[in-house]
Amino acid sequence: EIVMTQSPATLSVSPGERATLSCRASQSVSSNLAWYQQKPGQAPRLLIYGASTRATGIPARFSGSGSGTEFTLTISSLQSEDFAVYYCQQYNNWPPGTFGGGTKVEIK
Amino acid sequence: QVQLQESGPGLVKPSETLSLTCAVSGYSISSGYYWGWIRQPPGKGLEWIGSIYHSGSTYYNPSLKSRVTISVDTSKNQFSLKLSSVTAADTAVYYCARPGRWLQPYWYFDLWGRGTLVTVSS
Repeated sequence: EIVMTQSPATLSVSPGERATLSCRASQSVSSNLAWYQQKPGQAPRLLIYGASTRATGIPARFSGSGSGTEFTLTISSLQSEDFAVYYCQQYNNWPPGTFGGGTKVEIK
Repeated sequence: QVQLQESGPGLVKPSETLSLTCAVSGYSISSGYYWGWIRQPPGKGLEWIGSIYHSGSTYYNPSLKSRVTISVDTSKNQFSLKLSSVTAADTAVYYCARPGRWLQPYWYFDLWGRGTLVTVSS
């Protein structure tokens, strides 16, 4: 089973600043990596798939990069609605497929 | 607009069977996608449970396979989850979701229900 490790666990950022979230896979997942945003009491929302392709309706301030084992989600200028928990997910090797443990982006 | 809606008991006793249904609206469940279940224990991460095709073909997470059954009812445009011999560790929000690629049981998930909390307690 591929283990997905996200860092940091919590990221404190001021509105308008840039946020950089990391996701590392225990073995290569090629570019089969997705990012989700989850707000309290809501289902996850797909942000990025294929490591770098924004899902429908996702603002351009969200960008993804990386391949193989190292991936990054960047939010260029944090808006108030961006404070949430972010998860990465690999879909290259399954079952079972795996999600990361999440990074909480909080207001500094 | 495609929507998924989970339903079922919010409280299940230990050792009993958890049963949930996901109703799909705005899209035919027979139209080529798999349909899946994902769960999230309170304050924790996400775990894929399994997926089903309208033909009845299923794929399960090996860690849950011995206790999971997913079925489909195309006449009602819905699919269901049964998880047997539950314990407190099965307490979670259960989501139904659709993999974002045609004919793939597991992919990124681009469509989610709102989720339903199931608590296992006596």
